[in-house]
Amino acid sequence: SAVISQKPSRDICQRGTSLTIQCQVDSQVTMMFWYRQQPGQSLTLIATANQGSEATYESGFVIDKFPISRPNLTFSTLTVSNMSPEDSSIYLCSVLPGASASYEQYFGPGTRLTVT
Amino acid sequence: GEDVEQSLFLSVREGDSSVINCTYTDSSSTYLYWYKQEPGAGLQLLTYIFSNMDMKQDQRLTVLLNKKDKHLSLRIADTQTGDSAIYFCAETLSSGTYKYIFGTGTRLKVLA
Repeated sequence: SAVISQKPSRDICQRGTSLTIQCQVDSQVTMMFWYRQQPGQSLTLIATANQGSEATYESGFVIDKFPISRPNLTFSTLTVSNMSPEDSSIYLCSVLPGASASYEQYFGPGTRLTVT
Repeated sequence: GEDVEQSLFLSVREGDSSVINCTYTDSSSTYLYWYKQEPGAGLQLLTYIFSNMDMKQDQRLTVLLNKKDKHLSLRIADTQTGDSAIYFCAETLSSGTYKYIFGTGTRLKVLA
């Protein structure tokens, strides 16, 4: 398994501003992912954070709105840009350590974002 | 399609067994997972099952997989109040992308 931390744990932001969320893992991992969980909903994959190259975005998510960095094998950031109230969600990072053949992902505690 | 469906709510009495069901539509799923989300927290991996298995038991948890019907269930024996949470099933496809498709989530409420 892996121990994952996220910063901030929660934030209240004004519309039009941007917030950068950090995800730190206690060990090197093969893959890192960013998910969004809208209120009362399930999780939707935003993108796969690729180390040393551009993230791979899912349908409906674009780099201009959700720029992602992954400078090394233990750290990634997700920025929510030009926020609107519709961006109010929990944002979670997850990791796939790579040592297991069963592809289990481990999740961070999440960042609860409220946009006013 | 890649839809994973779950019933929204389940209520059980403390000490009873809980059974949470999940149906999926993609027959190429290789692994299926169960996660638990407590209020205000991230997701905790509970267990997983490989698609060529029918059953997996891990302490109070029993996972049953009916691949023909694309049906997955999680049975929690001797349910406790601490088991109250939202439970998500998830599948990963054989495409090699390691992407998860999450179910809609089942809110389990355990009554004392």
